[in-house]
Amino acid sequence: GQQLNQSPQSMFIQEGEDVSMNCTSSSIFNTWLWYKQDPGEGPVLLIALYKAGELTSNGRLTAQFGITRKDSFLNISASIPSDVGIYFCAGLSVGGGADGLTFGKGTHLIIQP
Amino acid sequence: NAGVTQTPKFQVLKTGQSMTLQCAQDMNHNSMYWYRQDPGMGLRLIYYSASEGTTDKGEVPNGYNVSRLNKREFSLRLESAAPSQTSVYFCASSARLHVGLTRPYEQYFGPGTRLTVT
Repeated sequence: GQQLNQSPQSMFIQEGEDVSMNCTSSSIFNTWLWYKQDPGEGPVLLIALYKAGELTSNGRLTAQFGITRKDSFLNISASIPSDVGIYFCAGLSVGGGADGLTFGKGTHLIIQP
Repeated sequence: NAGVTQTPKFQVLKTGQSMTLQCAQDMNHNSMYWYRQDPGMGLRLIYYSASEGTTDKGEVPNGYNVSRLNKREFSLRLESAAPSQTSVYFCASSARLHVGLTRPYEQYFGPGTRLTVT
């Protein structure tokens, strides 16, 4: 099946710092989605990317669809305590049989005040 | 607009018991999905329904059955629960098949059902 490598697995940062995380795949994807999950809750969609090279922002969050279509990046600027949580990338492959997304294993963001 | 709702929120079963997890969405979405989430494994697709009247297996379907009751509702059944099915189960939906949609693949998740099988 599809494999998504998400890194880093966890990040310990100070409030106010910028954050970068990424996902890479051995396969080409035609859609990249970024989700955030708070403890005890379901994933919430942050940003969706549909075209190679696309750069999309949502407040302090910016995500990019890599030119090769095999990677995507999420940046968070000036982190605040409510940014704590697990961030997942998810991809939908070109011509994929199953209609579901392939998820990375998540980046656990921890912010130290 | 409640989005995607799931019941129950928590459940404890004994090995061999059966149960049905319920999911409903009020966004008029065509496609619905069931995932399980385990520590270190991320989210894995169990079954999905691309449209009303159709269901298909995902990555980890063994031990589960599904029913797409109508456009709004998609249930997941465990016929004989096993400890390996202890997990958090998420239902999701997406517009998917609407003609002319520019963003059909965005999936929206419910709050999850936390299932423990002893």
